[in-house]
Amino acid sequence: GAVVSQHPSRVICKSGTSVKIECRSLDFQATTMFWYRQFPKQSLMLMATSNEGSKATYEQGVEKDKFLINHASLTLSTLTVTSAHPEDSSFYICSANLAGGQETQYFGPGTRLLVL
Amino acid sequence: GENVEQHPSTLSVQEGDSAVIKCTYSDSASNYFPWYKQELGKRPQLIIDIRSNVGEKKDQRIAVTLNKTAKHFSLHITETQPEDSAVYFCAARPRAGTGGFKTIFGAGTRLFVKA
Repeated sequence: GAVVSQHPSRVICKSGTSVKIECRSLDFQATTMFWYRQFPKQSLMLMATSNEGSKATYEQGVEKDKFLINHASLTLSTLTVTSAHPEDSSFYICSANLAGGQETQYFGPGTRLLVL
Repeated sequence: GENVEQHPSTLSVQEGDSAVIKCTYSDSASNYFPWYKQELGKRPQLIIDIRSNVGEKKDQRIAVTLNKTAKHFSLHITETQPEDSAVYFCAARPRAGTGGFKTIFGAGTRLFVKA
């Protein structure tokens, strides 16, 4: 099956710093990628839809200036958490669909962010 | 937008018994309903899915049913085993062209299978 990777898998940073998380589709092209956030014992909450070559679409309540998304190629989307604070500590997971609108969604392994 | 509700939040069964998890959705435009299993600290894994033109689908010990009229869908796991213990999420997705294939998840069900 299709493989999606994320880097880093785990990051610890100081409050106020920015953190970049990469999501890559390794063996397929993805025109659309999705970014989710999952707090402990909670569900996956969609943050934004990342569109190759255009601006991301953010869900209601998600600050676009705080969570910067760039989808510069068909295999890479990045999420930058700017000026991270302890409340941003969470599990961030990306997913991707095959180009052409295939339904099956492939998830990355997730990035655990801890902001001190 | 779509809203997915999932019950129960926690389910404990004896090994060998069946487990049923139920979900409802709000957007009648949704036409794809995947179910995911997530183990602690891992990514969600697709275990089965169903499309709106099908009422039931089965894969070995796992089955899913869909009632479009009532906007209900359910996951059934038979002959449960300890390794089935995990968090299960239902999800709904609108049809192509609406919402950009984004998937909305239920709150999750934590399943414990006691040996």
